[in-house]
Amino acid sequence: GAVVSQHPSRVICKSGTSVKIECRSLDFQATTMFWYRQFPKQSLMLMATSNEGSKATYEQGVEKDKFLINHASLTLSTLTVTSAHPEDSSFYICSARGTQKNTEAFFGQGTRLTVV
Amino acid sequence: LAKTTQPISMDSYEGQEVNITCSHNNIATNDYITWYQQFPSQGPRFIIQGYKTKVTNEVASLFIPADRKSSTLSLPRVSLSDTAVYYCLVGLTGGGNKLTFGTGTQLKVEL
Repeated sequence: GAVVSQHPSRVICKSGTSVKIECRSLDFQATTMFWYRQFPKQSLMLMATSNEGSKATYEQGVEKDKFLINHASLTLSTLTVTSAHPEDSSFYICSARGTQKNTEAFFGQGTRLTVV
Repeated sequence: LAKTTQPISMDSYEGQEVNITCSHNNIATNDYITWYQQFPSQGPRFIIQGYKTKVTNEVASLFIPADRKSSTLSLPRVSLSDTAVYYCLVGLTGGGNKLTFGTGTQLKVEL
């Protein structure tokens, strides 16, 4: 099946610094990718929809200036957590699917972000 | 987007068949039903997708009644490695349509 690769799988950063997470679709083109955040024992919460060549669409309550999304190509989207704080520590997951109808979404392996 | 309701948790034993039912009373005509499995600290993994009646693949079956207001994921002969959270999602398929996750069902399989 299709593969979505996310990097890094784990990152620890200091408060106030920025962290970039990459999401790549390895064997298909994705005009749209999705970014989720998941806290322990909770479900995935959609943060934003990343559109190739245009601005991302953010869900209500998600700060677009804090979570910068860039979708520069049909196979790569990046999420940058700017000026990270301990409360940003979470599991971040990206997802992508092809443009055809009735295709399932594929998820990256997730990135565990810890802000100290 | 159609909201889904699932049991928070289920327990089973190895070798048993497990059926997880999801309610989605306001499913729209063009919505599909998709189930995902998630292990701790991993991204969700696709299990099965269907629109109506029954769908079967190598790992599970999906039963959808005629009114499509619910669906049941059936896992035959579960093993310890099936211990995971299972999510039922309802929505349009295709690249640009977002997937919204509900609470999911924590399945625990014991010896």
